[in-house]
Amino acid sequence: EPEVTQTPSHQVTQMGQEVILRCVPISNHLYFYWYRQILGQKVEFLVSFYNNEISEKSEIFDDQFSVERPDGSNFTLKIRSTKLEDSAMYFCASSLGQYNSPLHFGNGTRLTVT
Amino acid sequence: AQSVTQLGSHVSVSEGALVLLRCNYSSSVPPYLFWYVQYPNQGLQLLLKYTTGATLVKGINGFEAEFKKSETSFHLTKPSAHMSDAAEYFCAVIRGGSEKLVFGKGTKLTVNP
Repeated sequence: EPEVTQTPSHQVTQMGQEVILRCVPISNHLYFYWYRQILGQKVEFLVSFYNNEISEKSEIFDDQFSVERPDGSNFTLKIRSTKLEDSAMYFCASSLGQYNSPLHFGNGTRLTVT
Repeated sequence: AQSVTQLGSHVSVSEGALVLLRCNYSSSVPPYLFWYVQYPNQGLQLLLKYTTGATLVKGINGFEAEFKKSETSFHLTKPSAHMSDAAEYFCAVIRGGSEKLVFGKGTKLTVNP
């Protein structure tokens, strides 16, 4: 069965550094998402992306964050200047359609900011 | 605004016993409801979903959930727990017109032999 793949599985970075989290969504999917889960807290929506633009974003997704689909396969999340509170598990997801189409999640990238 | 409440961050059952994981939601419009499962070191996997129609929804691995509008609940059940069911379970809601899936805090299920 096709999968969403995320790399790396664990990223350690220093505060203030830029980090790029990478995802390869399922190939025929059209909608792409980033979620994050801070340790002990809920999984939170960050952003959705469709037709090469952001379709919805949360209040967490401020100017420090950006997403890109640089080619036909990768979907990236960039954090420009990481803060300690950005430490979390970041999940990429993709789906065929909107709303009630199930999201397929990757295994996540654990980001640790020191 | 939507929210999801999962009662009990940890649930422990014996192998063969009934599994009941509780989920209540609040939504100003009829929601779409989901249960996801997360095994250790893996991503979230869809167990089942409710959109419209039959309120009792069957999912993978013998799980089912019933949408009860009057109780704003979507509890997850399985008649007989198996050791392989040990995982964390997340209830989630999405409102039509939004792409934002709102998750509960999760319930960690332990199955004892």
